[in-house]
Amino acid sequence: EAQVTQNPRYLITVTGKKLTVTCSQNMNHEYMSWYRQDPGLGLRQIYYSMNVEVTDKGDVPEGYKVSRKEKRNFPLILESPSPNQTSLYFCASSLTSGRYNEQFFGPGTRLTVL
Amino acid sequence: AQRVTQPEKLLSVFKGAPVELKCNYSYSGSPELFWYVQYSRQRLQLLLRHISRESIKGFTADLNKGETSFHLKKPFAQEEDSAMYYCALNGAGNMLTFGGGTRLMVKP
Repeated sequence: EAQVTQNPRYLITVTGKKLTVTCSQNMNHEYMSWYRQDPGLGLRQIYYSMNVEVTDKGDVPEGYKVSRKEKRNFPLILESPSPNQTSLYFCASSLTSGRYNEQFFGPGTRLTVL
Repeated sequence: AQRVTQPEKLLSVFKGAPVELKCNYSYSGSPELFWYVQYSRQRLQLLLRHISRESIKGFTADLNKGETSFHLKKPFAQEEDSAMYYCALNGAGNMLTFGGGTRLMVKP
């Protein structure tokens, strides 16, 4: 089944403990992106990648890192998580970065930082 | 800069009533607009896009460049339409900007 997968789906951690949320797609998509969803704010883009080894900042990149070593994977790294990063995170992918392309979303990862 | 505003956080209507979810945008160029929907316990998914000019599940949306709006409409709401709806804009080609979302509740 063509899809975007994320792991873990739920995570509770403490301030300062490095964590990685994985994202993988099996559709051979070039474009991948990370969003965070907060009540009243909708989805805000954290980072995106137009292809392997090409990443760029979105609207809210502070406190996050990403890498794109393989086409299918786009992990989100929080080097030193803080409570204000408690949120629901979504990974998405699309065939290319073209502006008409539909983005396919993962199921979400709910992160709580204590 | 590009911005999307959905002025209503919650919209409650009765089954069979018309529904209009408002979306206003700010972008200096020619925007590409989308409506995404998230049903309970499901992933966010594309509902419709401006360029396709299609009707999906009875929903339509027309881009009004003069009013910078892309409102989502359906003449007769159904209970299964209850969901969270997000308007989104792709201006520069690489970044998709979402509005804050509107929760639609269709009461029986």
